[in-house]
Amino acid sequence: GENVEQHPSTLSVQEGDSAVIKCTYSDSASNYFPWYKQELGKGPQLIIDIRSNVGEKKDQRIAVTLNKTAKHFSLHITETQPEDSAVYFCAASRRANNLFFGTGTRLTVIP
Amino acid sequence: EAGVTQSPTHLIKTRGQQATLRCSPISGHTSVYWYQQALGLGLQFLLWYDEGEERNRGNFPPRFSGRQFPNYSSELNVNALELEDSALYLCASSLANRELYGYTFGSGTRLTVV
Repeated sequence: GENVEQHPSTLSVQEGDSAVIKCTYSDSASNYFPWYKQELGKGPQLIIDIRSNVGEKKDQRIAVTLNKTAKHFSLHITETQPEDSAVYFCAASRRANNLFFGTGTRLTVIP
Repeated sequence: EAGVTQSPTHLIKTRGQQATLRCSPISGHTSVYWYQQALGLGLQFLLWYDEGEERNRGNFPPRFSGRQFPNYSSELNVNALELEDSALYLCASSLANRELYGYTFGSGTRLTVV
């Protein structure tokens, strides 16, 4: 099955700086790559996703890039704010299959 | 529109007992997924139900089982509870074209085994 690795496990940045979280996947047939944000006491919430026919996608301060050849994708958060502090999970799946998640990154934005 | 609803919010059981967790998907969603999130760890895939059928199963022992009802709600049963089963159990639902619409998660059931 799919194996998703995520780095770093913890990340601290100053407010206003950028944060980057990286993931690699093993199944070359995977074609859907979402990112989830999990705040304390809540379930994960989808924040952005990308499909294999796209190399980059941006939504305000959040962007995701995908390199299919290298089988890795990254989440970029610019101009970080304290409310960005949470645990972020990447995931991957192929058509008609369930999502496989990375191990999570705890992001702390220091005011 | 109501989101994914899980019950109970918290559940405390004794080792060896059985636990039943319930999930109501978003209206119109036919797929339900169950994940286990142990403290400090990631989301481990448990089970996937679609149109009442089990579509895939993660690397968990048979004492983890479930089912999906005709109204697409689902329940997860954990038999012969062990201390290491203590975790947050998350349910998610999706439309059939999940790669187009993604999953929506509930807030989870916190299971504590003592």
